[in-house]
Amino acid sequence: DTAVSQTPKYLVTQMGNDKSIKCEQNLGHDTMYWYKQDSKKFLKIMFSYNNKELIINETVPNRFSPKSPDKAHLNLHINSLELGDSAVYFCASSQSFSGNTIYFGEGSWLTVV
Amino acid sequence: GENVEQHPSTLSVQEGDSAVIKCTYSDSASNYFPWYKQELGKRPQLIIDIRSNVGEKKDQRIAVTLNKTAKHFSLHITETQPEDSAVYFCAASRNGQNFVFGPGTRLSVLP
Repeated sequence: DTAVSQTPKYLVTQMGNDKSIKCEQNLGHDTMYWYKQDSKKFLKIMFSYNNKELIINETVPNRFSPKSPDKAHLNLHINSLELGDSAVYFCASSQSFSGNTIYFGEGSWLTVV
Repeated sequence: GENVEQHPSTLSVQEGDSAVIKCTYSDSASNYFPWYKQELGKRPQLIIDIRSNVGEKKDQRIAVTLNKTAKHFSLHITETQPEDSAVYFCAASRNGQNFVFGPGTRLSVLP
């Protein structure tokens, strides 16, 4: 059973397109995250949601819009994709906002051409 | 805000030797320090963590030490094996919130 699952795993798309990445966790956790890992492997938090409410919104372009329909899901929608958006996007969850251990999904490899 | 630095960025060791990765943090209020291992093409996974009320923690071949005064913590891997080859990330957080990750260390264990 996959604890944190995200789809698609691979995505190749053209500049200017709009795409979404979906994430679901079956751990019963209250908090979910989106992280971006660039080509240099830096892991940077983008968003954090606790019980469907936005807690952290780092400095990311407003072309990125997270949506949490319930606490088990946190989707990421990206408008007007740019070349620099190419990265691996990891969804993650923790038991609570102070839940210490972060469990990552398998990652979504986004390539913008 | 918190800033986490990590050294070295790459590390090659012979199989059986020890490996040490060091991290420093800037926020003295940080009190939880996990280490994650990311194998090629895989997700980061927690391998060990330490809280600020403890100076050292060990789990088989891996150990972590914490120096709160100096604001640095280190990962020690003994008797390295080829399967230890991966990217290792340290992180710091305050009360399990706002994790800030280091830039990662690529460890290669040479047979």
